[in-house]
Amino acid sequence: EAGVAQSPRYKIIEKRQSVAFWCNPISGHATLYWYQQILGQGPKLLIQFQNNGVVDDSQLPKDRFSAERLKGVDSTLKIQPAKLEDSAVYLCASSSSDQAAQYFGPGTRLTVT
Amino acid sequence: AQSVTQLGSHVSVSEGALVLLRCNYSSSVPPYLFWYVQYPNQGLQLLLKYTSAATLVKGINGFEAEFKKSETSFHLTKPSAHMSDAAEYFCAVSEASSGSARQLTFGSGTQLTVLP
Repeated sequence: EAGVAQSPRYKIIEKRQSVAFWCNPISGHATLYWYQQILGQGPKLLIQFQNNGVVDDSQLPKDRFSAERLKGVDSTLKIQPAKLEDSAVYLCASSSSDQAAQYFGPGTRLTVT
Repeated sequence: AQSVTQLGSHVSVSEGALVLLRCNYSSSVPPYLFWYVQYPNQGLQLLLKYTSAATLVKGINGFEAEFKKSETSFHLTKPSAHMSDAAEYFCAVSEASSGSARQLTFGSGTQLTVLP
């Protein structure tokens, strides 16, 4: 069974530029999560989707971050414009609605200079 | 609200020694509890999970954890450390959100170093 796929793996941009990350969850997983992991910290949830609907985006900085999951499968997270403090690893995870465990992708390491 | 405290941001053990990584949680409802491991430049890999069945949970790579409700703890152990166990370990707690999809709250992690 293929795991959660993410791309790109690494991205370097200058502040005020925009960037997008892509995630393809495990096949059949209805729930998709985006996390931000700052160096030295645990992951922090940004947004949770159930199929193509948003369940929780309370911790998403909506003035600059956006995410979509239009067809209920893959998802895109965008940052526009980026700030220095957005430098982090962005992790995507998915879970089946019948299971409690989340399965994580390899992450995208973003560096904002 | 749920929260997780991992005691000790860095733990060092000798190869072959017991590994003990501590995790205490706070939850307003019976929790689900997880341990994840993260190797450098990789995502998180699930080690084990507690979902209200047996309180002693066995996971991959010889790790296990015991849920102690009275102590609100879910400590991770392994009898004999191996060099390949060196990584960062995260404890996480979840409560039910919409439907049966659950949101995880992570601790700040414990970096395990295994000394030869």
